[in-house]
Amino acid sequence: GENVEQHPSTLSVQEGDSAVIKCTYSDSASNYFPWYKQELGKRPQLIIDIRSNVGEKKDQRIAVTLNKTAKHFSLHITETQPEDSAVYFCAASPGGYQKVTFGTGTKLQVIP
Amino acid sequence: GAVVSQHPSWVICKSGTSVKIECRSLDFQATTMFWYRQFPKQSLMLMATSNEGSKATYEQGVEKDKFLINHASLTLSTLTVTSAHPEDSSFYICSARTQRGYSYEQYFGPGTRLTVT
Repeated sequence: GENVEQHPSTLSVQEGDSAVIKCTYSDSASNYFPWYKQELGKRPQLIIDIRSNVGEKKDQRIAVTLNKTAKHFSLHITETQPEDSAVYFCAASPGGYQKVTFGTGTKLQVIP
Repeated sequence: GAVVSQHPSWVICKSGTSVKIECRSLDFQATTMFWYRQFPKQSLMLMATSNEGSKATYEQGVEKDKFLINHASLTLSTLTVTSAHPEDSSFYICSARTQRGYSYEQYFGPGTRLTVT
């Protein structure tokens, strides 16, 4: 089955700096890579996703990159703000109605 | 749109009793629903995949006789924790998947915090 690894487990940045979270996956059949933000005690919220036919996708301060050859993908948050503080999960899926496998999570703390 | 609800949001039960958790997609039809379990400061662990009208597919290590899943309709899936024990205390989250055009999206419920005393 799919195995998704995520690094770092914790990340502290100063407000305004950039944050980068990296993930690797094992199943070459995976072609859908969503990223979720989860605040304490709340449900995960989809913040951005990327599919295997795209190498990079950007939405305002958030961007994701995908390297299918190396089987890794990354989340980039620029101009971080305190409200970006949360746990972020990467995930991978073969797509369609197949299951999504989550990474172990990164706790991001943005220091004002 | 794309709202998923869960009920109850939290429940406390005594060891040995059973608890049912409902997951509903309120404004869309979900052919597939997923049930996850999340321990404090840990990732979401998939327990089972539930397809409407068929038996759930359980992940390795998840006891299907303990965690009963029923996906009776395109908008409702239930998870019943039978003979609950303290080690079953956790945050249970469902998600519903739907197809939109050529893509598919997955939406999470707010979660149910189960405490077994």
